[in-house]
Amino acid sequence: GQNIDQPTEMTATEGAIVQINCTYQTSGFNGLFWYQQHAGEAPTFLSYNVLDGLEEKGRFSSFLSRSKGYSYLLLKELKMKDSASYLCAVRRLGRGSTLGRLYFGRGTQLTVWP
Amino acid sequence: DTAVSQTPKYLVTQMGNDKSIKCEQNLGHDTMYWYKQDSKKFLKIMFSYNNKELIINETVPNRFSPKSPDKAHLNLHINSLELGDSAVYFCASSRPRLGAGGPTDTQYFGPGTRLTVL
Repeated sequence: GQNIDQPTEMTATEGAIVQINCTYQTSGFNGLFWYQQHAGEAPTFLSYNVLDGLEEKGRFSSFLSRSKGYSYLLLKELKMKDSASYLCAVRRLGRGSTLGRLYFGRGTQLTVWP
Repeated sequence: DTAVSQTPKYLVTQMGNDKSIKCEQNLGHDTMYWYKQDSKKFLKIMFSYNNKELIINETVPNRFSPKSPDKAHLNLHINSLELGDSAVYFCASSRPRLGAGGPTDTQYFGPGTRLTVL
């Protein structure tokens, strides 16, 4: 399997900035995804990194360092609705059964307080 | 206009029963998946089909049998249900290109089916 590690829980206040870290160990790395999952709902795609650097999408940004096996998701101007679980997922390059396969971390439960 | 849909949303049943969960996607994707999310929220892949062909078959009991009648549908049949099968089951779809990465491989998830085995 893949070793994907992220903090279990984080808290922050409205308007603040929070950084959720994810470290991984894998062979054949082929991209890292961040998903958001509200309680009782499906995971929804947030961001994707395959090259080193920062990808910015509005209030959310995601960073990747392949040499360090490290990514983070940065959430700015936090809103109450950002309270959710954030899942880091690593994709492996491969043939056959590993095509398009994602390995998920256990998720970071973010609580945003007023 | 739902992208990935699943039925039923909730399923409560007794141990030993056989049940099915249906999944349909209208995104025109080539690949569909079944994931299991346990009580600790760990999301783990079970099966994947590409153009109706099984390409990922994780170590799950053979009581679980996926069936893909066409590219847009992937159903999951579970025989002899056990207490440990209680979880949320998510269907997902994507359009991967062999050997390529990129947002085209993004997986889109259905709303989930919460299975409770009593």
